[in-house]
Amino acid sequence: QVQLVQSRGEVKKPGASVKVSCEASGYIFTAYGISWVRQAPGQGLQWMGWIRAHNGHTSYAQKFQDRITMTTDTSTNTAHMELRSLRSDDTAVYYCARDGGSGTSLDVWGQGTTVAVSS
Amino acid sequence: SYVLTQTPSVSAAPGKTARITCEGNNIGDKTVHWYQRKPGQAPVLVIYYDSDRPSGIPERFSGSNSGNTATLTINRVEAGDEADYYCQVWESSSDHRVFGGGTRLTVL
Repeated sequence: QVQLVQSRGEVKKPGASVKVSCEASGYIFTAYGISWVRQAPGQGLQWMGWIRAHNGHTSYAQKFQDRITMTTDTSTNTAHMELRSLRSDDTAVYYCARDGGSGTSLDVWGQGTTVAVSS
Repeated sequence: SYVLTQTPSVSAAPGKTARITCEGNNIGDKTVHWYQRKPGQAPVLVIYYDSDRPSGIPERFSGSNSGNTATLTINRVEAGDEADYYCQVWESSSDHRVFGGGTRLTVL
């Protein structure tokens, strides 16, 4: 079955970086992209950006533009999201989701990765 | 950037109908997707392309989209429907995805 499995949760200090991974299975990885979405405590879903798996083309939300990098590894069917210069308000659950592009839905989601930023 | 506005909370008694709205400028010209998120769980797609249901989603869930409002309708509400619901569209000019602020459905 189609599945996205994310890396384990992490605790980081302010100013550090975090890299979250998302391993896909059950479908042709390069036929889709991956969107990254986060939910901070008490907040709604926030789209961070997406990456086309077959060519690595990215589109980032303006809020994260200067400190986020999304990559894919087609040899392992894994997507990665790195967020730098972490602040306390980056504490959130981070999700990856399969994204067909061009207005299609986010039809399959990972289980979520909790990132806590604390000194 | 495009803004989607959702009412923060909606309530319905079991067996009744819940309607959750998502407002945006000429949202009827876009395709809307809806997600359900229960506490401690990942979001689940419940409606895509305005009104289509993924396999496994009950027929009680339906969607519509016209003018400036998209609506998720849940008929015969059950206790298990209690969750946060989010609408989402694609902003073609920027290739960005946009979420509404979410609506919490409380089953009375």
